[in-house]
Amino acid sequence: QKEVEQDPGPLSVPEGAIVSLNCTYSNSAFQYFMWYRQYSRKGPELLMYTYSSGNKEDGRFTAQVDKSSKYISLFIRDSQPSDSATYLCAMTSSGGSNYKLTFGKGTLLTVNP
Amino acid sequence: NAGVTQTPKFQVLKTGQSMTLQCAQDMNHNSMYWYRQDPGMGLRLIYYSASEGTTDKGEVPNGYNVSRLNKREFSLRLESAAPSQTSVYFCATALRGGGTMIYEQYFGPGTRLTVT
Repeated sequence: QKEVEQDPGPLSVPEGAIVSLNCTYSNSAFQYFMWYRQYSRKGPELLMYTYSSGNKEDGRFTAQVDKSSKYISLFIRDSQPSDSATYLCAMTSSGGSNYKLTFGKGTLLTVNP
Repeated sequence: NAGVTQTPKFQVLKTGQSMTLQCAQDMNHNSMYWYRQDPGMGLRLIYYSASEGTTDKGEVPNGYNVSRLNKREFSLRLESAAPSQTSVYFCATALRGGGTMIYEQYFGPGTRLTVT
């Protein structure tokens, strides 16, 4: 079993839709959870991060972590064509030599005008 | 500030040729990373340098070597390129120390490498 599983999609939605992106993981030591956004032919950029369980909201974006289920989600409200990108989840543990992130494979999202 | 820069942007090599991918950052970050990204495989860590003077293997180090030249620069070398090394290569940096975590990595624009 891979440490992080992410449905690669592709996911195609109409403008204004609510989008739900998800990852599951197997390593219970993970405590920091991130979502990166990657536009076509660009490097990834950090969108949101969450520590441990709970929700975090930033504008139209909400990140949720359920550590009991080892499941994280990113919700995008009122999706826009400019949200079209690949979304990668990433996670890491705290303490020790936590220099590395473990990434999901990414979900390709297209928002159609 | 340029952030994280990578050279070259594109490269085509023949099997067996060697080359060095360059990465430089002006963010004064301690940690630097090299990833490759392939369709269906996501981002995979090749090598990383937690701080100047140290380097460690990541998930897929075979066929690569790295040099942390100074705090700003981290290079990736392919000694004898193989078609399996056709990929997009990303360099990333992260601030470490002072209580910060490494969750925020800043990525360069990538190098698209084709090995024929």
